[in-house]
Amino acid sequence: KNQVEQSPQSLIILEGKNCTLQCNYTVSPFSNLRWYKQDTGRGPVSLTIMTFSENTKSNGRYTATLDADTKQSSLHITASQLSDSASYICVVGDSNYQLIWGAGTKLIIKP
Amino acid sequence: KAGVTQTPRYLIKTRGQQVTLSCSPISGHRSVSWYQQTPGQGLQFLFEYFSETQRNKGNFPGRFSGRQFSNSRSEMNVSTLELGDSALYLCASSLGGVRGTSTDTQYFGPGTRLTVL
Repeated sequence: KNQVEQSPQSLIILEGKNCTLQCNYTVSPFSNLRWYKQDTGRGPVSLTIMTFSENTKSNGRYTATLDADTKQSSLHITASQLSDSASYICVVGDSNYQLIWGAGTKLIIKP
Repeated sequence: KAGVTQTPRYLIKTRGQQVTLSCSPISGHRSVSWYQQTPGQGLQFLFEYFSETQRNKGNFPGRFSGRQFSNSRSEMNVSTLELGDSALYLCASSLGGVRGTSTDTQYFGPGTRLTVL
C-alpha cells in the first residue's frame, strides 16, 4: 500500500535554531516528492519539488533532500523564524496519477 | 497575477442540506483539484478537473460531485450533508495538472471551512 509517513508529529524549537523534518514513503513507482508549508487555516504553499534524479533542492532557508534508494526525504530549516511556525507536509507522486499526502509535522517556533 | 480564490470562505449548514463551493483558478491554469482536510488528517483527494473533464477521482461517496466550466472555474457540490463532512475544503490549480509524472506546482486557495450542524 502506498504510504507517506512523517516524523516527528510535532516539534517545538527556539527561534534561530535549526531543525530537520523526516518523510519516509513506500510509494511505487516513484515519480516525485514535494514539500509544502501550511499555515493554520490556510492552503498549503509549495516549497520544493524533487524528481528521482535530484537529491537536494533549496528554497531560501529550506533545504530538502531525497534518498530514493532508502525512500527517505528530509526538510532542513536553517535559522528558524517565528513565521516558520506551520505544518510541513510531504507529498509523493507516483508514475500513474496518485499524489499521496503525509499527515504533516506541526512545527512551533518559540521566541 | 491573482491567486486561487474560493468562495465562500466560511459556511454553516445542517445535516441533510446540500452545499456548493466555488473555485477560481489562476489565470491560464486548466487543472483544478479539490481536497478535503479534517483536523489531524492529511489532505484527502476528492477529484481533479482538466479542460472541463473529470480526470481523476478519489475515494469519496457519490454525494460529492464537481464540475468545471469553460473558463476553468470549478464548483464542488456535496448533497445530503453529514456531520462528518465538516472540514476545510481546498482547491488547487496548476497549469497542466498533477499527474504523477508532472512536476507542475499546485497553487492552493485559502479554502472553504464547512461546518455541518
